[in-house]
Amino acid sequence: QVQLVQSGAEMKKPGASVRVSCKASGYNFTAYQMHWVRQAPGLGLEWLGWVNPNNGGTTYAPHFRGRVTMTRDTSISTAYMELTRLTTDDTAVYYCARDLRSGTYYFDSWGPGTLVTVSS
Amino acid sequence: DIQMTQSPSSVSASVGDRVTITCRASQGLSSWLAWYQQEPGKAPKLLIYAASTLQSGVPSRFIGSGSATDFTLTISSLQPEDFATYYCQQANGFPTFGGGTKVEIK
Repeated sequence: QVQLVQSGAEMKKPGASVRVSCKASGYNFTAYQMHWVRQAPGLGLEWLGWVNPNNGGTTYAPHFRGRVTMTRDTSISTAYMELTRLTTDDTAVYYCARDLRSGTYYFDSWGPGTLVTVSS
Repeated sequence: DIQMTQSPSSVSASVGDRVTITCRASQGLSSWLAWYQQEPGKAPKLLIYAASTLQSGVPSRFIGSGSATDFTLTISSLQPEDFATYYCQQANGFPTFGGGTKVEIK
């Protein structure tokens, strides 16, 4: 079965960067785009962008362009999301989520989430 | 960005009740809309995509309808495991989500 396993919680200071990983199993990693979605405490969901594991292509939400980088390592079926110049507003649970089919922007499998806390 | 407005923000209901949640988009989506269920402390779960297509394994009491700017999620007979928060999400371009509807026990 499809499984997405994310890296552990992170505590960062304002101005720092964070990298979250998402290891996929149970399916062909290169066949489905991987998205990243975040959820601030008690708030709604916000899409950050996606990476195409097949060719490394990316698309980022305008709000995050210049601060987010999504990559992948096909040898270990793992996607990464790095966010730089962190502020307290970036405190959130970050999820990786697989695309239902290429380019649909429907998310059919989700990782458990990684809590990133930004505090001085 | 396409804005998604859900209503109500919360609803109290009893087991067996029929519950309806609405989602309105700021521009036409055709049928590019999904619904998710999120339990506390867990990741969202895809229920419905393409406005009315039931995701594999999701019970048939979850019914999606609508097109263009107005969409509805109906739970035909609420079960104990359905008490959760529900989100709509547009997929007609960069995704955006509604603010959520919390379904609580009456």
